[in-house]
Amino acid sequence: GAVVSQHPSWVICKSGTSVKIECRSLDFQATTMFWYRQFPKQSLMLMATSNEGSKATYEQGVEKDKFLINHASLTLSTLTVTSAHPEDSSFYICSAVKGENTEAFFGQGTRLTVV
Amino acid sequence: GESVGLHLPTLSVQEGDNSIINCAYSNSASDYFIWYKQESGKGPQFIIDIRSNMDKRQGQRVTVLLNKTVKHLSLQIAATQPGDSAVYFCAENGSGTYKYIFGTGTRLKVLA
Repeated sequence: GAVVSQHPSWVICKSGTSVKIECRSLDFQATTMFWYRQFPKQSLMLMATSNEGSKATYEQGVEKDKFLINHASLTLSTLTVTSAHPEDSSFYICSAVKGENTEAFFGQGTRLTVV
Repeated sequence: GESVGLHLPTLSVQEGDNSIINCAYSNSASDYFIWYKQESGKGPQFIIDIRSNMDKRQGQRVTVLLNKTVKHLSLQIAATQPGDSAVYFCAENGSGTYKYIFGTGTRLKVLA
């Protein structure tokens, strides 16, 4: 199967600082990447859909100025949580797909803790 | 997001028994479905998928059933093992989109 690598796997940051999370497809070119957020004992909530070379599409209620997404190449998407606050603490997961109606491959997730 | 954030229901199954995990999906236009397994602190792992032109698909120890009439998906795990303990999510993908929407998830506990 295809491999998606997410980095870092965990990060602790101070309130008010920004954190960048990387998502890479290691052995395939991803037409589209997704960013999810998951709170404890809850499902994955789609935050945004990221296409290479174009602006990300954000889900309703997700602040695009707070969660900056850059999809610079077919193998890399980044999520930057700007001016992080404790309520942003969560598990962030990315996924990538090779094409429409195909399996989505997931990264291992990033545990963000804002103190 | 479109997925409902509720606390996860739990299914407890005796080791060796069969497990059935159910999922109701939301979009009648969805034509591709996946079951994922998520272990604690990790990202989801693909288990099995099914397209809307099928009503059943089998893998190794797993079977997915799709009932489009009532928008229902189920995952059957045969001879459940301790390693099957995890949270299971169904995900749907609408035709013509790359977007995946996840169900609420079910926690499977395998009892020794």
